[in-house]
Amino acid sequence: DTVLTQSPALAVSPGERVTISCRASESVSTLMHWYQQKPGQQPTLLIYLASNLESGVPARFSGSGSGTDFTLTIDPVEADDTATYYCQQSWNDPWTFGGGTKLELK
Amino acid sequence: EVKLVESGGGLVQPGRSLKLSCAASGFSFNDYWMGWVRQAPGKGLEWIGEINQDSSTINYTPSLKDKFTISRDNAQNTLYLQMSKLGSEDTAIYYCARGWELFDYWGQGVMVTVSS
Repeated sequence: DTVLTQSPALAVSPGERVTISCRASESVSTLMHWYQQKPGQQPTLLIYLASNLESGVPARFSGSGSGTDFTLTIDPVEADDTATYYCQQSWNDPWTFGGGTKLELK
Repeated sequence: EVKLVESGGGLVQPGRSLKLSCAASGFSFNDYWMGWVRQAPGKGLEWIGEINQDSSTINYTPSLKDKFTISRDNAQNTLYLQMSKLGSEDTAIYYCARGWELFDYWGQGVMVTVSS
């Protein structure tokens, strides 16, 4: 299975720029997607196919990358962005998720 | 408004079976792939599997292929997950989600606890 590795946690101040990384154990082309999960809630789709913003998602969120290295950027970060962020690949069967990056606001 | 509502969870003894349902509304259910994802307490997300529009293609993560069965009833706009031989490692929140390869809408999830 394709393993997706994310940093466990980040802490930033409101107004700052934050990048959340996801590294795949093998190439996933651009079939990488990002989700946000707030405490006690279901995940929501933020970015699909590495860099496409899902409808209704603020333009503060953006995604980039291809192959094995991907990044989710939030600029500027707002208090409401406190959540865990997951990457997910759909190039190699079975689809897999990263372990999640918990974003905390200082 | 797209809505996905899971039901059927609860406490189940080890070795027993359980069937979850996911009622869909607000979109043309029979036009979409649907899937299941689970999340153990305090852990990350795990893809279980997915089913295409007419049930002719069903994909599973290999480790769950012999335990879980995904099905759907397009007339009832309902997705199902039949789980068998449950163990403590299956304790999780189970989410149904719309889509193939990626999931653009998720239900609120249903908790399944496997314990004696």
